[in-house]
Amino acid sequence: DSGVTQTPKHLITATGQRVTLRCSPRSGDLSVYWYQQSLDQGLQFLIQYYNGEERAKGNILERFSAQQFPDLHSELNLSSLELGDSALYFCASSAGSGRANEQFFGPGTRLTVL
Amino acid sequence: TQLLEQSPQFLSIQEGENLTVYCNSSSVFSSLQWYRQEPGEGPVLLVTVVTGGEVKKLKRLTFQFGDARKDSSLHITAAQPGDTGLYLCAGAPVAGGTSYGKLTFGQGTILTVHP
Repeated sequence: DSGVTQTPKHLITATGQRVTLRCSPRSGDLSVYWYQQSLDQGLQFLIQYYNGEERAKGNILERFSAQQFPDLHSELNLSSLELGDSALYFCASSAGSGRANEQFFGPGTRLTVL
Repeated sequence: TQLLEQSPQFLSIQEGENLTVYCNSSSVFSSLQWYRQEPGEGPVLLVTVVTGGEVKKLKRLTFQFGDARKDSSLHITAAQPGDTGLYLCAGAPVAGGTSYGKLTFGQGTILTVHP
């Protein structure tokens, strides 16, 4: 158990809908990262927040947005969903400082768009 | 853009065999991490290497960071079926002495160890 929690575990929805994925980082970690993993794209970095502020952006679509709240939990919002958005979405957390910046991953949310 | 090339992409071996997975880049990384992921679960951190030339051992797994901090290898001795999984390397960028933690992941190596 990494100490990172994600809800829900599974999500099935229809095209055009909007969903929210939730992540709670390990106790004491200030950084939260969101990743998308699909069979053909591997693990793709979406966005990072550090202590409530956006710190780095990766291949995140404009239809997707995220935020980190004062209690450090984070939410990833996916809107106008398309079939191609079906994937595993992982949240990771790290202490957010130092050279190593080891990241610890949650169990993921499997999103299926029908 | 920093890229990490992992090889091989697939590896299917018999129990007891040795194997090596490579992770290469033209970029320098401040650190490199190796993860193992099982189907439907999140990647689990195995090791972090920070110093060029560093070698770390974790039971039957040996990790090495290249002298120039551009490449790394994972060697497994006497592989067991429980080693089966997706192995990912990930590099942290060098950024003015501090790092925001954004990792670049390799595409992964799918290892299958047959009993």
